[in-house]
Amino acid sequence: SAVISQKPSRDICQRGTSLTIQCQVDSQVTMMFWYRQQPGQSLTLIATANQGSEATYESGFVIDKFPISRPNLTFSTLTVSNMSPEDSSIYLCSVEDGLATETQYFGPGTRLLVL
Amino acid sequence: QQQVKQSPQSLIVQKGGISIINCAYENTAFDYFPWYQQFPGKGPALLIAIRPDVSEKKEGRFTISFNKSAKQFSLHIMDSQPGDSATYFCAARGGSYIPTFGRGTSLIVHP
Repeated sequence: SAVISQKPSRDICQRGTSLTIQCQVDSQVTMMFWYRQQPGQSLTLIATANQGSEATYESGFVIDKFPISRPNLTFSTLTVSNMSPEDSSIYLCSVEDGLATETQYFGPGTRLLVL
Repeated sequence: QQQVKQSPQSLIVQKGGISIINCAYENTAFDYFPWYQQFPGKGPALLIAIRPDVSEKKEGRFTISFNKSAKQFSLHIMDSQPGDSATYFCAARGGSYIPTFGRGTSLIVHP
C-alpha cells in the first residue's frame, strides 16, 4: 500500500490569497488525484495530476483557480488561488495502487478555512 | 448517470447491532464497487470492495451485498463496535469513468 503525506495539515487563510498544498507518496505511482471534500458532502474530484504534462480537470474546475504541478512520480502540488470563503474545505491527495489499479489510497487531507 | 446515491446520511446503532448502509447506481458500465471508511481528521481508507460477478463478499465483520439487476449494493457491519464509528463512503467505477462517490454515511455506535 502507498503511504501519503500532505502539507500543511490545516491552514487559515485570508480571502484573495493563495495556498499551495503538497502531496508526497512513499513510492512511485502513475496516477495521482486531487479531491475536495466539503462538510457533509461527497468527495469531488478536482483533477488528475499527470507526470510530465498538464493536469486533467473535471467539470467545474479550472487551471487558473487550481493550478497543479507533478514534477515526478512521487510528488504533486495543488494551489488554491485567489481564495474565497467558498473554498473552505478539505483537500485530499489520492493515488492508485499500481498493482491493483482500482485501489485508491488517500492522504490525511488539508483542512482549509478561508476568512 | 454518474451518480451514486447513498443512504442513510446518518446512522445510530447500539453496540453489538447490525449497521446497514445502502447505495444505488445508474451506470451499468461500473464494474468495481469499493467502500471507504473515514475517521475524523483522516483520509478515507479502503475497507472492502466487490465486483459484479459475485453477490456477496465478506471480510470479518464487514459484508458487501450486491444486486446487479437492481443496481444496488450495501455494506453490513455485524456486531457493530464503538470503534466502527466513522463516515462510510460507497463508490463505483469502471471503464473510462472516474470514481464516483456517494455522499457518505456518518455512523455512530453507542457503547
